[in-house]
Amino acid sequence: EAQVTQNPRYLITVTGKKLTVTCSQNMNHEYMSWYRQDPGLGLRQIYYSMNVEVTDKGDVPEGYKVSRKEKRNFPLILESPSPNQTSLYFCASSFQISYEQYFGPGTRLTVT
Amino acid sequence: ILNVEQSPQSLHVQEGDSTNFTCSFPSSNFYALHWYRWETAKSPEALFVMTLNGDEKKKGRISATLNTKEGYSYLYIKGSQPEDSATYLCAFPGNTGFQKLVFGTGTRLLVSP
Repeated sequence: EAQVTQNPRYLITVTGKKLTVTCSQNMNHEYMSWYRQDPGLGLRQIYYSMNVEVTDKGDVPEGYKVSRKEKRNFPLILESPSPNQTSLYFCASSFQISYEQYFGPGTRLTVT
Repeated sequence: ILNVEQSPQSLHVQEGDSTNFTCSFPSSNFYALHWYRWETAKSPEALFVMTLNGDEKKKGRISATLNTKEGYSYLYIKGSQPEDSATYLCAFPGNTGFQKLVFGTGTRLLVSP
């Protein structure tokens, strides 16, 4: 089944404790992206990747890192999480930006 | 930051009503326009990606039109059903390299039986 998977689905952590949210797709997509969703603000892009080893900042990259060492995986790293990073996070992939994005199930992160 | 605007913010209709919403985007340097449907507690799902001025796409009772010269797209739902209740998002590639995707804040549709 074609899908985008994210783990974990839910995470409660404390300020400053490094964490990684994994994202994997099995559709051989070149474009992958991370978004955060906050009430009243809609989906905002954090980082995107056009291909292996090619990543770039979206509109809200501060406090996040990503890597794209393999085509299928695009982990989101929070080196020192803060409460303002409490949010719902989505990973998505597509062949290119002019193609439909396939979204993962979401990760709800709470930083206390 | 590029601005993609959607209106109305929310809409409440009765089952059987037809409805439409608008997505406005910058008309210069158009590349593509995406529409997504997002049900509560689920992930956004693609409805359409439109690339040509005058494009019209249809999926069941949902259709969309595109006007790149004036910078807007309409999404129409004919004969709304309760299962159409969702947030409808549009998105636009928003930088000179057309690789950064900017979403509008969505139109939240509620269809009452």
